[in-house]
Amino acid sequence: DGGITQSPKYLFRKEGQNVTLSCEQNLNHDAMYWYRQDPGQGLRLIYYSQIVNDFQKGDIAEGYSVSREKKESFPLTVTSAQKNPTAFYLCASSGINYGYTFGSGTRLTIV
Amino acid sequence: GNSVTQMEGPVTLSEEAFLTINCTYTATGYPSLFWYVQYPGEGLQLLLKATKADDKGSNKGFEATYRKETTSFHLEKGSVQVSDSAVYFCALSDQDAGTYKYIFGTGTRLKVLA
Repeated sequence: DGGITQSPKYLFRKEGQNVTLSCEQNLNHDAMYWYRQDPGQGLRLIYYSQIVNDFQKGDIAEGYSVSREKKESFPLTVTSAQKNPTAFYLCASSGINYGYTFGSGTRLTIV
Repeated sequence: GNSVTQMEGPVTLSEEAFLTINCTYTATGYPSLFWYVQYPGEGLQLLLKATKADDKGSNKGFEATYRKETTSFHLEKGSVQVSDSAVYFCALSDQDAGTYKYIFGTGTRLKVLA
């Protein structure tokens, strides 16, 4: 079955460490996205990519970095520059006929 | 810029009650409209969509009609169940922008009591 996989589901890191969240899709979608969700809040766009080797900043890109070396993969790195990284992170992809498909999310906790 | 406004939650209903969650939008061009649902600890799932004015999207007993004259896309269900308890997000995609990027509302939490 086609889908989008985020791993791990839960992630704990010490303050000051960089951490990379994985997102893989086998839907052959061109576009991929990273969103952050805080408790009781909506979705805020971090980065998005519409094509391999290209990506754009979203609304809250500071303290995050991404790469898009393969169509299937769009990893997100949360750097030590991100002041408040504890949150639920959602990856999504979409194809030419639009319609987002979301992963099941990664809950990152900084301890 | 484009935006989506949803009614604030939480919305608390008894089982078998009628549900309405309001959504209005501001957009240039001719957006497609969507409702997504998020169950606790999970990602968002597409619930229904409408791609042009007067279209009605429907799925699992939920319905929403694309009203261009009132710029609205309200979600309705005639009889809610406890299993419908979730957060519901309204979203739009502006096709004229040539991008796949969506704009989401802030979400409305629904709690259905047995």
